[in-house]
Amino acid sequence: DQQVKQNSPSLSVQEGRISILNCDYTNSMFDYFLWYKKYPAEGPTFLISISSIKDKNEDGRFTVFLNKSAKHLSLHIVPSQPGDSAVYFCAAEAGGTSYGKLTFGQGTILTVHP
Amino acid sequence: GAVVSQHPSWVICKSGTSVKIECRSLDFQATTMFWYRQFPKQSLMLMATSNEGSKATYEQGVEKDKFLINHASLTLSTLTVTSAHPEDSSFYICSAREMGTVGHFGNGTRLTVT
Repeated sequence: DQQVKQNSPSLSVQEGRISILNCDYTNSMFDYFLWYKKYPAEGPTFLISISSIKDKNEDGRFTVFLNKSAKHLSLHIVPSQPGDSAVYFCAAEAGGTSYGKLTFGQGTILTVHP
Repeated sequence: GAVVSQHPSWVICKSGTSVKIECRSLDFQATTMFWYRQFPKQSLMLMATSNEGSKATYEQGVEKDKFLINHASLTLSTLTVTSAHPEDSSFYICSAREMGTVGHFGNGTRLTVT
C-alpha cells in the first residue's frame, strides 16, 4: 500500500506565481517529513523538512505546512522561478528503529513557465 | 558539502552476471547508508539499510542473497546485484547520512540486464 501519496503527477505554474505541491500520508507513526527536488540524471536534493511538532517551516521562498489531523502536508514556493522546474518528492520518516528510513511519494513534476 | 558519489551511473550486463555499485560520501562520514530502487513511474523504494561494520538490514521482500550490501568504512558502501536477471533492471540509488542530519543522495545507477 502507498503510505505516502502525491496525487498530482504534474503542475504547471507561471513564473512569479505560487506553486503548491501536496502530499498525503496514512501512517500515523511518521513524525518527520521532507521535500526533495530532483533534476534529470541527478539524485534527489534535500529542500526542506518539518517535524511533527510543528505546523509550518519556512526557508526563503520555500514553506512547508503540516496538518497532522488531516495527514497532509504541502510545499509552497513563492515566487516560482523557471529554475524550480523539477520533480518534487515528498518523503516521510518514522522514529525509533525506522530512523533515517524514508518512504517516498511518487513525485510531482513542476514546470514553471517564463 | 555533503557530496555523495555513486558509480557507475549506468551499466548494461548480461543475464546471470553480477554487478557492483559503489556509493561514497566524499566530504563526510556516513554512519548509515541506504539503498533505494525505483521502477518506472513509481516512487523510490527502500531496499536496505547498512551501518558501518555491521550487517545490512533488508526491507520485506528484498532478497539479501541477491542484493549483497557491504559497508566496510564510514565513506563507502557497495551493492552487488548477483546473478542479475532482466527483472532486476531498475534505477538504484544510495543515500548517505551522518547522525542527526538528513540523507544525501547519489546520482543513481541505471541497471539494464539483457
